Amino acid sequence: SYVLTQPPSVSVAPGETARITCGGSNIGGYSVHWYQQKPGQAPVLVIYGDSDRPSGIPERFSGSNSGNTATLTISRVEAGDEADYYCQVWDSSSDHMVFGGGTKLTVL
Amino acid sequence: EVQLVESGGGLAQPGRSLRLSCAASGFTFEDYGMHWVRQAPGKGLEWVSYISWNSDKVAYADSVKARFTISRDNAKKSLFLQMNSLRAEDTALYFCAKRAVDWSLDIWGQGTMVTVSS
Repeated sequence: SYVLTQPPSVSVAPGETARITCGGSNIGGYSVHWYQQKPGQAPVLVIYGDSDRPSGIPERFSGSNSGNTATLTISRVEAGDEADYYCQVWDSSSDHMVFGGGTKLTVL
Repeated sequence: EVQLVESGGGLAQPGRSLRLSCAASGFTFEDYGMHWVRQAPGKGLEWVSYISWNSDKVAYADSVKARFTISRDNAKKSLFLQMNSLRAEDTALYFCAKRAVDWSLDIWGQGTMVTVSS
């Protein structure tokens, strides 16, 4: 089955740029989506289709996907961005949805 | 307001059954595929199951296949998950979520907690 690998944690100072990676075999051939989940809340879609932002998501959130790595980039990080972030794809070869293990973003 | 509200969770003994429901409002439910996703306490997200808009396509995670059954009632704007032969490892918060572009999930409920314990 397809596997997505994320770093368990990323730390960044306020105002800096956070980059959260999602690794997978030829992930560039998949459409990658990213979710933000704060404690006690449901996940929120922040990036879909590798790099598109849903309505209401700040421009500070961006995404890219190529080769074996997809990346969620959060510019000018704010304290309110502290959360768990998950990448996700649909594996059409197995008809399974796959999530990465999640990355805890800490704002120092 | 676009909303998904789950219900039906609770405490069940191993081997017993539970049926989860998800009530949709604020969007044309019958036009969209729907998913169940779960999250064990302190753990990450795990996909459970999918059903297409007209129920002609269903899919299950290997961990629940042959034990769980997904279904929907478009007239009642409702999604269901019948969970049989429950195991301790099924203990989790269960979310229903709406399928969007490229198999992303753009609307999530707040979840219903399922605890499997004797």
